[in-house]
Amino acid sequence: AQSVTQPDARVTVSEGASLQLRCKYSYSATPYLFWYVQYPRQGLQLLLKYYSGDPVVQGVNSFEAEFSKSNSSFHLQKASVHWSDSAVYFCALLNTGNYKYVFGAGTRLKVIA
Amino acid sequence: NAGVIQTPRHKVTGKGQEATLWCEPISGHSAVFWYRQTIVQGLEFLTYFRNQAPIDDSGMPKERFSAQMPNQSHSTLKIQSTQPQDSAVYLCASSLSSYEQYFGPGTRLTVL
Repeated sequence: AQSVTQPDARVTVSEGASLQLRCKYSYSATPYLFWYVQYPRQGLQLLLKYYSGDPVVQGVNSFEAEFSKSNSSFHLQKASVHWSDSAVYFCALLNTGNYKYVFGAGTRLKVIA
Repeated sequence: NAGVIQTPRHKVTGKGQEATLWCEPISGHSAVFWYRQTIVQGLEFLTYFRNQAPIDDSGMPKERFSAQMPNQSHSTLKIQSTQPQDSAVYLCASSLSSYEQYFGPGTRLTVL
């Protein structure tokens, strides 16, 4: 069965510091992977996606993610965070058999001054 | 492009009343998905439509929940006899390619 694990429920970083949010997946076929961000009282916004090819994908707002098949991971990174990046981040996997997303539990990011 | 529109943004009902939530997908998108989000359960899939046809409703509580998509421009999620445990944020998403989904802002349902 497919699953997505985000091991860190909460992450706190200082403004200007680098960031990595972890995502591990379990899926028997080629994974289609996504990162979404949810700001307070809003829906989920797509940050980036990976289907195939270059394992490092660029997204909006200077986010990037690196896919690793050997580690079954799709970690989100940013070189320098801003206070406005404070939000909840969700990693998702698309089951290409039924086109349903499997979401991780989310990581709440807090950026402090 | 206005994005996915959900109305109302907030709804408060009394226990036992009916709640109808509306979703207008992005124009041209052929798939519509409904999710429920709670702190305890996270994001739960409810149901989805493709080209207005129901494809998968495996996440829908069978007795009181129903969803329809009568035309390309809107879908509804109806909850009959609402219970306090139905309190959640209900998210609608639409998709053009079946891969990436675009989410609306959600409807926060509070059942008193």
